[in-house]
Amino acid sequence: EPEVTQTPSHQVTQMGQEVILRCVPISNHLYFYWYRQILGQKVEFLVSFYNNEISEKSEIFDDQFSVERPDGSNFTLKIRSTKLEDSAMYFCASSGQGLNEKLFFGSGTQLSVL
Amino acid sequence: DAKTTQPNSMESNEEEPVHLPCNHSTISGTDYIHWYRQLPSQGPEYVIHGLTSNVNNRMASLAIAEDRKSSTLILHRATLRDAAVYYCILREYNFNKFYFGSGTKLNVKP
Repeated sequence: EPEVTQTPSHQVTQMGQEVILRCVPISNHLYFYWYRQILGQKVEFLVSFYNNEISEKSEIFDDQFSVERPDGSNFTLKIRSTKLEDSAMYFCASSGQGLNEKLFFGSGTQLSVL
Repeated sequence: DAKTTQPNSMESNEEEPVHLPCNHSTISGTDYIHWYRQLPSQGPEYVIHGLTSNVNNRMASLAIAEDRKSSTLILHRATLRDAAVYYCILREYNFNKFYFGSGTKLNVKP
């Protein structure tokens, strides 16, 4: 079965540094998403992306976050100046077009901000 | 956000059926009902989804109430590997977001 791939699996960074989390969605999918999950808490929606632009974002997705599909295969989440509270597991997901499509999730990147 | 409510936790014995309920009283006519689960230390994975009719697949069955204000995920024979957090989610007509609730943590006893 096709899968969503995320790299790295673990990322450790210093507070204030920029990080880029990378994802390779399933090749024929058109919609891309980032979610995060703080340890012990629920999965939180960050942003969705379609046709090279953000289609929805949550209140968590503030100016320090950005997303990009730089080369037609990768989908990245950039956090400009990391804070301690950004420590979480970040999941990328993708889906095909249509209301009848399901989400496929990657296995996540564990971000630790020190 | 289209809201769903689920019990915080449920327990089942291995090889017995499990019925996981979900209430979604504010559902609109075009919202799909999706179920995902998250095994420990893994990303969410798709289980099943439906619109109006009951649905079956190799993992589970989905029973949708006639008024669509509630649904039930049915695992026909729970195994230890089914221990996970199960999320009931409405995919809204503005379909570029899926909001996860708190989910139901299913514990399966041997």
